[in-house]
Amino acid sequence: GGIITQTPKFLIGQEGQKLTLKCQQNFNHDTMYWYRQDSGKGLRLIYYSITENDLQKGDLSEGYDASREKKSSFSLTVTSAQKNEMAVFLCASSIEGWGLGGSEQFFGPGTRLTVL
Amino acid sequence: QQKVQQSPESLIVPEGGMASLNCTSSDRNVDYFWWYRQHSGKSPKMLMSIFSNGEKEEGRFTVHLNKASLHTSLHIRDSQPSDSALYLCAASGNNYAQGLTFGLGTRVSVFP
Repeated sequence: GGIITQTPKFLIGQEGQKLTLKCQQNFNHDTMYWYRQDSGKGLRLIYYSITENDLQKGDLSEGYDASREKKSSFSLTVTSAQKNEMAVFLCASSIEGWGLGGSEQFFGPGTRLTVL
Repeated sequence: QQKVQQSPESLIVPEGGMASLNCTSSDRNVDYFWWYRQHSGKSPKMLMSIFSNGEKEEGRFTVHLNKASLHTSLHIRDSQPSDSALYLCAASGNNYAQGLTFGLGTRVSVFP
């Protein structure tokens, strides 16, 4: 088994601020993902990374940057926080490979962002 | 428009009853369907996956898939209060590590 940890658990920022969220996994999974979840609704893919130093944009990448400097860690930066923004950011990881298309994604506990 | 549509938005089920949830993808490149369950304040956890036409049963949970119509359904029989959660349907294609496309979810409430 393994675990995904996300820090911080709660993040309060000011409008226009640059904010960084961190994710670590010890599954030894190749692929890592960042999703955003608003108001207990569905998840939207922000960025994913299939290996160290790789970055792929999801549907919601505008306004975000990401960094995968090690296989075990994946960071997400909100480049300019929007006033009154509230969302949960979920990190996930999975084993992937050509032709597999889908393998189970394991999720971290989330970072809850509030922008004042 | 949402590529993965789920219905209904919410469902109230008596304890011991049957809950039926639906999910359809509008992306014809989809090959795999997943059902995740998310309890309040927790992260999503995979419940079941289905990749081939037909039916798959695990305990009280049954999923169906019709690949021609890109429709999947999840049925929970003998529903328990612990089944109260947000159920998320997700779909993926046969490409390398592209992530999942999630629907907005169906919120199931089971009352005693």
